[in-house]
Amino acid sequence: ETGVTQSPTHLIKTRGQQVTLRCSSQSGHNTVSWYQQALGQGPQFIFQYYREEENGRGNFPPRFSGLQFPNYSSELNVNALELDDSALYLCASSPEDSYEQYFGPGTRLTVT
Amino acid sequence: GNSVTQMEGPVTLSEEAFLTINCTYTATGYPSLFWYVQYPGEGLQLLLKATKADDKGSNKGFEATYRKETTSFHLEKGSVQVSDSAVYFCALRHTGNQFYFGTGTSLTVIP
Repeated sequence: ETGVTQSPTHLIKTRGQQVTLRCSSQSGHNTVSWYQQALGQGPQFIFQYYREEENGRGNFPPRFSGLQFPNYSSELNVNALELDDSALYLCASSPEDSYEQYFGPGTRLTVT
Repeated sequence: GNSVTQMEGPVTLSEEAFLTINCTYTATGYPSLFWYVQYPGEGLQLLLKATKADDKGSNKGFEATYRKETTSFHLEKGSVQVSDSAVYFCALRHTGNQFYFGTGTSLTVIP
């Protein structure tokens, strides 16, 4: 069984640019959550998608947006990048009717 | 609101020492509680969980008991190994879909 995968592994962007991060959920999982983990901090919930619809959102501005596809893979888009957006971005998938989350290895985003 | 407070690290122990990492939470009602572990360069892995008061979660020699009276979920292990070196996160899930994580506690076990 393939676990949660994320791409790319690392990314360097310039302030003001836009970025798209990708996540493939574990087989059979229809819920995907995205988290931002700043250095030395715990993950902060960005939003969750269930069956292609946003299903909860944390305290992040609208320039953080997402998408879930029919195969339940997902994208996180961040517009107008700021230096403080530098972090590890984690994706986690969950099966139907379960709150257990399975995390991917993350994408390390550096904004210069 | 909901929040998790974790014992600050880093923690350094000798192999076979006893481990305690403190975690307290703030939430209304009855959240579910979790411990996650993050090894260097990897994502978070679920270590153990408890879904109601007095439940004890256990896995790989680690244990934590859901204490509603003290709003705590302390992680313990009787004898740590070098391979336990990682960052440990306490988390809660209340109604809805959002998880709240603590800031993490770094553990280093030396031979």
